Amino acid sequence: RKEVEQDPGPFNVPEGATVAFNCTYSNSASQSFFWYRQDCRKEPKLLMSVYSSGNEDGRFTAQLNRASQYISLLIRDSKLSDSATYLCVVMTAGNKLTFGGGTRVLVKP
Amino acid sequence: DGGITQSPKYLFRKEGQNVTLSCEQNLNHDAMYWYRQDPGQGLRLIYYSQIVNDFQKGDIAEGYSVSREKKESFPLTVTSAQKNPTAFYLCASNQREAYNEQFFGPGTRLTVL
Repeated sequence: RKEVEQDPGPFNVPEGATVAFNCTYSNSASQSFFWYRQDCRKEPKLLMSVYSSGNEDGRFTAQLNRASQYISLLIRDSKLSDSATYLCVVMTAGNKLTFGGGTRVLVKP
Repeated sequence: DGGITQSPKYLFRKEGQNVTLSCEQNLNHDAMYWYRQDPGQGLRLIYYSQIVNDFQKGDIAEGYSVSREKKESFPLTVTSAQKNPTAFYLCASNQREAYNEQFFGPGTRLTVL
């Protein structure tokens, strides 16, 4: 079993719609969680950290469920510019990051 | 502007040749990392360094080597022992405090012919 698993997609989303997807992790000792965004052939960039209480940044909402060991990302009012691959990232002791394979989102007019 | 630079952006080498990828940061970060990304896959950790003159193997260190002689520099050598070196290589850095984001360079796309 992979340490961090994501549905690879693609999620085809009409512009203006809401899309949500999850990521599961296997290491219960994981301490921090992040969503990174990666555009085609570019480096990943931090989208948002994920806090236990859940957090929102504009149209993006991230949730953490420690009991079931998953995190989620919800995008409201999708824009064409939201088309990207979203990487789930889990940090364990020693600042070590483990990346999921990414979920591809395609927003279409 | 502070950031991480990697050079070159594209690199072609013949099979059996060693090649060194450059990574420089002026963010004054203590920790630096090298990842490899294959098409449609997540990033896998090759090597990391938490402090100058010290580094540790990541999950896929075989066929790679690194050095950390200066805080701002963390070059990666892809040796001829690496069986499948064609990939997108990403360098990252962060402060050594626990659990904060890593910043990535633009990456080097290595193709071995």
